[in-house]
Parts: sequence; structure tokens; C-alpha cells
Amino acid sequence: GENVEQHPSTLSVQEGDSAVIKCTYSDSASNYFPWYKQELGKRPQLIIDIRSNVGEKKDQRIAVTLNKTAKHFSLHITETQPEDSAVYFCAAGKLPTGNQFYFGTGTSLTVIP
Amino acid sequence: DADVTQTPRNRITKTGKRIMLECSQTKGHDRMYWYRQDPGLGLRLIYYSFDVKDINKGEISDGYSVSRQAQAKFSLSLESAIPNQTALYFCATSDMAGVQGYTFGSGTRLTVV
Repeated sequence: GENVEQHPSTLSVQEGDSAVIKCTYSDSASNYFPWYKQELGKRPQLIIDIRSNVGEKKDQRIAVTLNKTAKHFSLHITETQPEDSAVYFCAAGKLPTGNQFYFGTGTSLTVIP
Repeated sequence: DADVTQTPRNRITKTGKRIMLECSQTKGHDRMYWYRQDPGLGLRLIYYSFDVKDINKGEISDGYSVSRQAQAKFSLSLESAIPNQTALYFCATSDMAGVQGYTFGSGTRLTVV
């Protein structure tokens, strides 16, 4: 099966700085890579995703990049704000044939005001 | 979102007791999943179901069972709870192709004493 590794496990940044979270995957057939944000005491929610036919995707202050050759993808948050503090999970899966998404172990991001 | 609802939200139970966690959804999704979240381990799949007659084990199914009572309902049972099943449990749904990722329920925090 797929193995997704995520780093770092914790990350602290000053407000206004950028944050980068990196993930690697093992199955070259994976073609869909979502990112989830989980605020304290809440459910994970999809914040951005990328498919294997795209190298980069942006949505306001967040962006995701994908390197298929190296089998890694990253989440970039610019101009961080205190409300960005949360646990972020990356995942990998195969659409439409895959059975499930495989998750990384999470990154706890703290934005220091 | 009230579209994926889990009950109970919190539960404390004793070792050896049987307990059922329930999940219902109004999204009309065919696919439903049960995940377990532990600190540092991310989200691990327990069981998943693609329709009422389809039940599949995930990576950590031992000690758990499930029932898909209807398209909208998917229950997780711990036949004889043990302390290392103390965790946060999430139900998730996705459409047939998974093209919009998962929608997670609000979670059930289970403590086995």
C-alpha cells in the first residue's frame, strides 16, 4: 500500500512569516493529494488539493506544489496569521479507482503573534 | 457542517464493555469510512464501505466491527473495549470517485478505563 511521510511534526513561525510542510509518498500510481486542516477540537477540513497533472495550485495565501518524479508535495502558507494555527495533514490517493486516502502523521503549526 | 453527524461526541466506558459509535450523513455519498486518530500517528483507517453490501477492513480493524445499515448510516462497534482503544474516532464520507476528498464528521472522543 501507500506510505505517506510528513515533516516536520511541529512548526512554530512568527506572524507574517511563511510556513512550509512537506510530504513524501511511495506509490507512483497515486494521483490525488489533498491537505486537511484540523483546528483544536474540530474535524479535519479540506483546504486545498492537487492532482498529478498539475505542478502547483494556489488559493489566496496557501499553495501546494507537487514533484511527481521525486514523489513529494508541499503545503506553503504565506503571511501566516494566528488563525492558521492548527494541525495539518497531507494525504495521497488514487482517483477514481482507489479505496482510500493515506494520511501523513500531521504537523502542528503554531503562529506566534 | 451538520452533513456528517457522529454520536456520541464523548464517551467514557469500562474495559470489556461493548460500545457502538454511530455515523449518519446527508451528503448522499456512497462511500463511508471510520478512522482513528492518535497523537503522532495521524489518521488510520479501521473499516470502509462503498455501499450497503460492501464492507472492507482497513489497516487496524482488529477489535472492531462495523455495520452499514443504510446508505446514510455506518456504525462502528467495539465488541470488548480495551484501554488502547482510547482515541478520537472520525467517520468520513466521499462521493463515488472521491473527487472532492473526504467530508469528516465531528468526531467521537472515546476513553476506555
